[in-house]
Amino acid sequence: LAKTTQPISMDSYEGQEVNITCSHNNIATNDYITWYQQFPSQGPRFIIQGYKTKVTNEVASLFIPADRKSSTLSLPRVSLSDTAVYYCLVGESSGDKLTFGTGTRLAVRP
Amino acid sequence: DVKVTQSSRYLVKRTGEKVFLECVQDMDHENMFWYRQDPGLGLRLIYFSYDVKMKEKGDIPEGYSVSREKKERFSLILESASTNQTSMYLCASTIPRGQGPYRNTEAFFGQGTRLTVV
Repeated sequence: LAKTTQPISMDSYEGQEVNITCSHNNIATNDYITWYQQFPSQGPRFIIQGYKTKVTNEVASLFIPADRKSSTLSLPRVSLSDTAVYYCLVGESSGDKLTFGTGTRLAVRP
Repeated sequence: DVKVTQSSRYLVKRTGEKVFLECVQDMDHENMFWYRQDPGLGLRLIYFSYDVKMKEKGDIPEGYSVSREKKERFSLILESASTNQTSMYLCASTIPRGQGPYRNTEAFFGQGTRLTVV
């Protein structure tokens, strides 16, 4: 399973765009990249998933360069409710164990 | 909506007690997982299961065991609870997503059980 590295914490202000980058130098050909969000006292929830280039949904965008050794989660115009821990996972082929790291703690200030 | 339900939100047990944490999912998922979460350590995988009666050790299985007698239910067992097992325990199940060349998954989590061992 490819190991991931992401910043421990980030600060932002309401209305700003936030980009969280995850490094995964050993990503395998069949690995997807997935991001989860976790609010205090809740389990993580799926935000977005991609294999290459760019994926966008109603919550976020995911940018993946051609070499796939990193990925960037982009949250447009964050609000206070986006304060959470964000986890980057790589290699969730069916049957793989699902391994989370320590995540990035995002704090959004007024 | 997929639902993963953990039997208790809060639990207080005494050292040496046998503790059962139950998790039930209602979407016929094959894969189920148990994690513990501690401040500064993120989510750490304890055990997981691909199918009924099958189990695999995660990264920190010591002091725990699991049981999966039915597909929808995955139980975490602390044979003899200790204070260092005080933690938030999270259960998850996963489902394959998409139709791409490689199978990928989405995980659904329960609300967590905060266990305190005194």
